[in-house]
Amino acid sequence: DTAVSQTPKYLVTQMGNDKSIKCEQNLGHDTMYWYKQDSKKFLKIMFSYNNKELIINETVPNRFSPKSPDKAHLNLHINSLELGDSAVYFCASSQEGPYRETQYFGPGTRLLVL
Amino acid sequence: DAKTTQPTSMDCAEGRAANLPCNHSTISGNEYVYWYRQIHSQGPQYIIHGLKNNETNEMASLIITEDRKSSTLILPHATLRDTAVYYCIVNNNAGNMLTFGGGTRLMVKP
Repeated sequence: DTAVSQTPKYLVTQMGNDKSIKCEQNLGHDTMYWYKQDSKKFLKIMFSYNNKELIINETVPNRFSPKSPDKAHLNLHINSLELGDSAVYFCASSQEGPYRETQYFGPGTRLLVL
Repeated sequence: DAKTTQPTSMDCAEGRAANLPCNHSTISGNEYVYWYRQIHSQGPQYIIHGLKNNETNEMASLIITEDRKSSTLILPHATLRDTAVYYCIVNNNAGNMLTFGGGTRLMVKP
């Protein structure tokens, strides 16, 4: 059983397009996250959602918008894709409360913008 | 800014213990030490965390020095599948933001 799943696994698209990446967790966790891993392999947090409220936004451009229909899902919508958006995007989840830094990650979505 | 310093890479023979060091000399009293790893083409995986006592679970052991300025992650019997990048992270559990540094690339060799 996959705890945190993401779709699609690979996404190749043209510059200027709008795309979405979906994330689902079946762990019953309260908080979900999106991370970006660039070509240099550095992982950076983008968003955190707790009970459908955005609680972190690490200076991410407005073209990126997280959407959470319920606490098991956190989707990432990207408008007007740019070449620099090419990266691997990871979704994660954790339980609210102590040790929320114990996060469970999905397999990643590899986005390539041409 | 990562608050930790780790060697860029290490090698370990299969079946031997892998000892991965981490310096966190500016750690404050309420900050925990977390370890994650990322196997190639996979998402990061939580390994273990601790505050000041040594910790052990089914994956690894975590040894934290008495002054808490450094720690060592120990994989007691490394296998080829333990080849990964290992990240040491300090966090105070007040927020949920994980800041990943460069990590240590561990290569387990036959």
